[in-house]
Amino acid sequence: QSALTQPASVSGSPGQSITISCTGTSSDIGSFDYVSWYQHHPGKAPRLLIYDVTHRPSEISNRFSGSKSGNTASLTISGLQAEDEAAYYCSSFTTAVGDVVFGGGTKLTVL
Amino acid sequence: EVQLVQSGAEVKLPGESLKISCKGSRFTFRNYWIGWVRQMPGKGLECMGIIYPGDSETRYSPSFQGHVTISVDESINTAYLQWTSLKASDTAIYYCARGGDFWSGYFEFWGQGSLVTVSS
Repeated sequence: QSALTQPASVSGSPGQSITISCTGTSSDIGSFDYVSWYQHHPGKAPRLLIYDVTHRPSEISNRFSGSKSGNTASLTISGLQAEDEAAYYCSSFTTAVGDVVFGGGTKLTVL
Repeated sequence: EVQLVQSGAEVKLPGESLKISCKGSRFTFRNYWIGWVRQMPGKGLECMGIIYPGDSETRYSPSFQGHVTISVDESINTAYLQWTSLKASDTAIYYCARGGDFWSGYFEFWGQGSLVTVSS
């Protein structure tokens, strides 16, 4: 199955908010409220930020929030901090074999 | 705290076989889907497939079907990813990850990653 589509890069200044989009199809994002987002720093394991579109694990800051409309999901990070600089990946449950499809990833730069 | 501990880095020749492992602890291993995720150098994350230790049901993503084998030994809480004939293009970091309480496609906990280098 094709990967979900994310912008290659986004940037923002400390304290600002940014939004990363993730576009899929009616076979994945459009059919299920099962979108997740991960933060990935180089050399570390990915970290789950958001699951089931809007839910946050208890240890994740409320600066991270998720939403979905149609075939597109979004991750918003408010009050940008230097440590937010990382790659961000969306993922969705899919009707295709294998169950899970990832986006290509978005590199966030904090200016 | 849930832990997934993966086997160490491997350097292999093209054509060799390899089996890497992922041992889970501090959760009921048989009740959670386990996935394998590849990250090739400079590239993004790709889900290779998932396995349910309780009954060994396995689902492969189309790009990986026939190229790798995912298995599990529930008695020792360990999942495996196996190749019979490695290629240079298999060079990557491989992560195992555990699904959530209800399987909806997300991975709640991740292993530290296993670097596999295939080079002549």
